[in-house]
Amino acid sequence: QKEVEQDPGPLSVPEGAIVSLNCTYSNSAFQYFMWYRQYSRKGPELLMYTYSSGNKEDGRFTAQVDKSSKYISLFIRDSQPSDSATYLCAMPRGGSNYKLTFGKGTLLTVNP
Amino acid sequence: GAGVSQTPSNKVTEKGKYVELRCDPISGHTALYWYRQSLGQGPEFLIYFQGTGAADDSGLPNDRFFAVRPEGSVSTLKIQRTERGDSAVYLCASSPRGSPASGELFFGEGSRLTVL
Repeated sequence: QKEVEQDPGPLSVPEGAIVSLNCTYSNSAFQYFMWYRQYSRKGPELLMYTYSSGNKEDGRFTAQVDKSSKYISLFIRDSQPSDSATYLCAMPRGGSNYKLTFGKGTLLTVNP
Repeated sequence: GAGVSQTPSNKVTEKGKYVELRCDPISGHTALYWYRQSLGQGPEFLIYFQGTGAADDSGLPNDRFFAVRPEGSVSTLKIQRTERGDSAVYLCASSPRGSPASGELFFGEGSRLTVL
């Protein structure tokens, strides 16, 4: 079993839809959880960063962590065509915030 | 420049050749990282520099891979005797200091390496 599992999609939704992206992980030592967004042929950019279980909201984006289930989610409200990208969950391992374990990424397309 | 700059953006080489990939981090960032992203996969950690020294090279897959950062700014990833399995996008990232509290790494656009 890989440390981080993420459904690669692709996921296609109409503009304005609520999008749910998810990852599961196996290493209970993971304490920090991140979502990166990667546009085609670009580098990943940090979207959300959370530490504990619960929700964290930033504009149209909400990150949710359930440590008891080892399950994290990213919700996008009122999705826009500009949200079309690959979304990668990531977790630092070994107590080092630079050594990230990434999921495979979910390719999202928001259709106008 | 404003962001992490990587050159070349694309590199096609033949099996067995030597390749160098260059990374120019954000000005003032002391920490520099190399990751590798294979097709359909998330990035995988290769090496972390703090200043001029490699603080963690545990992700380098074998001794064909080597990286330097002689003056604490620009870094070069060197791959000897390239193999087809080395084909991937090599991403460089930097951060103001090592092990950033927010976990935010600033990535470049990557160097796409194709080994024929």
